[in-house]
Amino acid sequence: AQTVTQSQPEMSVQEAETVTLSCTYDTSESDYYLFWYKQPPSRQMILVIRQEAYKQQNATENRFSVNFQKAAKSFSLKISDSQLGDAAMYFCAYRRDPVSGTYKYIFGTGTRLKVLA
Amino acid sequence: DAGITQSPRHKVTETGTPVTLRCHQTENHRYMYWYRQDPGHGLRLIHYSYGVKDTDKGEVSDGYSVSRSKTEDFLLTLESATSSQTSVYFCAISAQPGGTQETQYFGPGTRLLVL
Repeated sequence: AQTVTQSQPEMSVQEAETVTLSCTYDTSESDYYLFWYKQPPSRQMILVIRQEAYKQQNATENRFSVNFQKAAKSFSLKISDSQLGDAAMYFCAYRRDPVSGTYKYIFGTGTRLKVLA
Repeated sequence: DAGITQSPRHKVTETGTPVTLRCHQTENHRYMYWYRQDPGHGLRLIHYSYGVKDTDKGEVSDGYSVSRSKTEDFLLTLESATSSQTSVYFCAISAQPGGTQETQYFGPGTRLLVL
């Protein structure tokens, strides 16, 4: 079974600095998708970034980028120029492409990011 | 923002009573999901649907049932609520996988307290 591990329950970063959140996953599949979601205090889940496993190029969305290491099964999120609004819980998620055509997502336990002024 | 609403947003109930949570979408997406979120566990899938009347179990489905009679509505029922079902429940939707629509969009959540 696939698993997603976020080994950092909590992290802190100074405003305007860069922080990297770690995520590792376990799968025997070759085709899948990986996601980072942000959950601010409002509890709304917001998609931050998405990576297709068949793409070697790391995804980037403005100040957010990933370091996707397929062989190592690692998918870290880098936040540059951290802002107070980045403070939230961040979830890493995995979605496989099963032959059956159903699509289940597996989430990690989350990393709480604090941004210090 | 994707059009997803959940009702009620907050509910307090007593052990042993049935509870139904509703998820409504205006995006006409095929896939709908129910998750629960608990400290230390992240998000765990309860049930999901891949079409009208097509549903399947997730990893924590015991004590829950679902129904989807229309594309836009996905109901989650706690048949006989227990205190262990106190949680925040999220509904999510996704379009047919592939391309730029390959993602899940989440509703605002329902906070359920079972006394």
